[in-house]
Amino acid sequence: DIQMTQSPSSLSASVGDRVTITCRASQSISKNLSWYQQKPGKAPKLLIYGASSLHSGVPSRFSGSGSGTDFTLTIASLQPEDLATYYCQQSDSIPWTFGQGTKVEIK
Amino acid sequence: QVQLQESGPGLVKPSETLSLTCTVSGGSIGSGSYCWIWIRQPAGKGLEWIGRICNSGTTNYNPSLKSRVTMSLDTSENQFSVKLSSATAADTAVYYCARAAPGGYNIWSSDSWGQGTLVTVSS
Repeated sequence: DIQMTQSPSSLSASVGDRVTITCRASQSISKNLSWYQQKPGKAPKLLIYGASSLHSGVPSRFSGSGSGTDFTLTIASLQPEDLATYYCQQSDSIPWTFGQGTKVEIK
Repeated sequence: QVQLQESGPGLVKPSETLSLTCTVSGGSIGSGSYCWIWIRQPAGKGLEWIGRICNSGTTNYNPSLKSRVTMSLDTSENQFSVKLSSATAADTAVYYCARAAPGGYNIWSSDSWGQGTLVTVSS
């Protein structure tokens, strides 16, 4: 299985801050990576697919980059409603695997 | 906008089979190049991909569960299902169904999700 490692596991930032979450794959996955946001008690929601394509309806403050083994999710200006856990997921090979998640808290 | 809804027993006895169904509305489950997937999440933990069943006929399961899991697609009822045999306490989790859409070669993303259903395995 391809292992996905996210860092940090958690972070606390102020409203308006720029936030960066990284995801590293144990082998090259090209750009076969998605990012999801999961708010407490809710199902995950798709933010980014293909490493850098913004899903329809997702605010433009979210962006993704990377290819191969190293990927980044950036929130350009953190908003109170961004309180959530964020997961990366690879679809390069079966089984699709997720990172362990990054919990984002608001200071 | 397609919507998904999980249904099934919330309590399963150890060694029995866990069975869940996902009903899709707002679109035909058999149309398009989609796959239909199951994901689970134990309380306070991360997401685990269980497997997928695609309109193309492709079915893939997580090797960690492969010997116990079966998925099926019912286009007449616009539903898909998962069965997990020989359930144990380790299978206790919130189970999500979702639609996976292709975005390019091997680029799959889950763009629609059910709300999730808690299944507890206990006697």
